[in-house]
Order: sequence, then structure tokens, then C-alpha cells
Amino acid sequence: AQSVTQLDSHVSVSEGTPVLLRCNYSSSYSPSLFWYVQHPNKGLQLLLKYTSAATLVKGINGFEAEFKKSETSFHLTKPSAHMSDAAEYFCVVATMNTGFQKLVFGTGTRLLVSP
Amino acid sequence: DVKVTQSSRYLVKRTGEKVFLECVQDMDHENMFWYRQDPGLGLRLIYFSYDVKMKEKGDIPEGYSVSREKKERFSLILESASTNQTSMYLCASRPGSRETQYFGPGTRLLVL
Repeated sequence: AQSVTQLDSHVSVSEGTPVLLRCNYSSSYSPSLFWYVQHPNKGLQLLLKYTSAATLVKGINGFEAEFKKSETSFHLTKPSAHMSDAAEYFCVVATMNTGFQKLVFGTGTRLLVSP
Repeated sequence: DVKVTQSSRYLVKRTGEKVFLECVQDMDHENMFWYRQDPGLGLRLIYFSYDVKMKEKGDIPEGYSVSREKKERFSLILESASTNQTSMYLCASRPGSRETQYFGPGTRLLVL
């Protein structure tokens, strides 16, 4: 079965410093992976997705993620945090069940950005 | 722009009440989903629908049912609400079987 593990429940950074949110996946075949973001009192928004094209995926708001098969990782990074990046981030893997794709969510990482 | 709307942002109900959560999407998407979100657990799939009048159980369907009479609307029903159903409920839709899901803003349900 496909699954993802988000290694940190909370990450704190200062504004202007790099962001690293870690995610490891488990999949019996080449996975489709996503990062979603949820700002306070808002629905989830897709940041980026990997679907077996380029291993470095660029998303919205300056975020990117690198698919590393040897490490089974899909970490999310941003060179310089902004106050507006404070939110909860979910790493997600797609699973196929009788031809129908479903999403399996990680437990989330809350990003705190201090001035 | 895809829009997924949910009928209520906040809802307070009593134990034993029948509760309806409504979700509407305006992009003619075939697939619709209901999730619940709890701290430390992420999102868990309750039910999904791949077409009108079609429904499938997700990972945690117990205590819930759904209805999809029209393509744009997907309802989640709590037949007899219990306190352990206090949660954030998120609806999502997508156009096909391998595309991005689009989420509504969520309904925060409190069962007393």
C-alpha cells in the first residue's frame, strides 16, 4: 500500500531563512506525489505535483520539491521564508484501486515563520 | 477558476441529530470526495463518488452516508451524530480519474 510519512509535525523558521519540510514515501510502483498547503481557515491548495517527469518540481509561491527514488523522499523547500508561508503543509501520494486514483495524506507539518 | 463550496463554515449539533453537509462544485467534475481532518491524523477519506448516483466507501465510512443526485452536488450525512464526529470536514472534486483534486473551505462541525 502507498503511504507517506511527514517527519516533523512542526517546523519553525525565521523570515528570510530557508524552509525544508520533509516527506518520505512508500510505494510499490512509481508514485504520483503532491504537496498541498492549508492556510488558517482555508481549504487545501495544490502547491506542486510530481508525476514521473522531471525529478525537480517547481510549484507556486517559490516552493519546489525534489523526487529522490534512492532515498524514497519528496522534501519541500523554499530558499527564503515569508510570513505568508505560515500554514500547514501536507505531503500526499496517489494510490490506484481498481483503476480509480485516490489520495493518501500525510499527517501534516505546521510551518511557523517568525519575524 | 474551479470553485468548490460547502454550505456551512461552522456547525454545532447535538448528539443523535441527523446532520447534512452539502458540497457544490461548478466545474462539471465527475469525481467528488468527502474527507475529515483531525489534528495529527491528516485527511482521511470517508466516501467518494465517481458519477451521479454512484458512491464508494473510503477508509472511514462508519457512521456516515452520502448522496449524489446531481453531478454538481455531493452530500455527507451523519445519521445520528456522535461526539467523536466532531471534526473538520472537507469536500473535494476533480474532472477525471487522474487529475488534481480541488478542495472546498471546509465545515467545522462540533457535536455536543
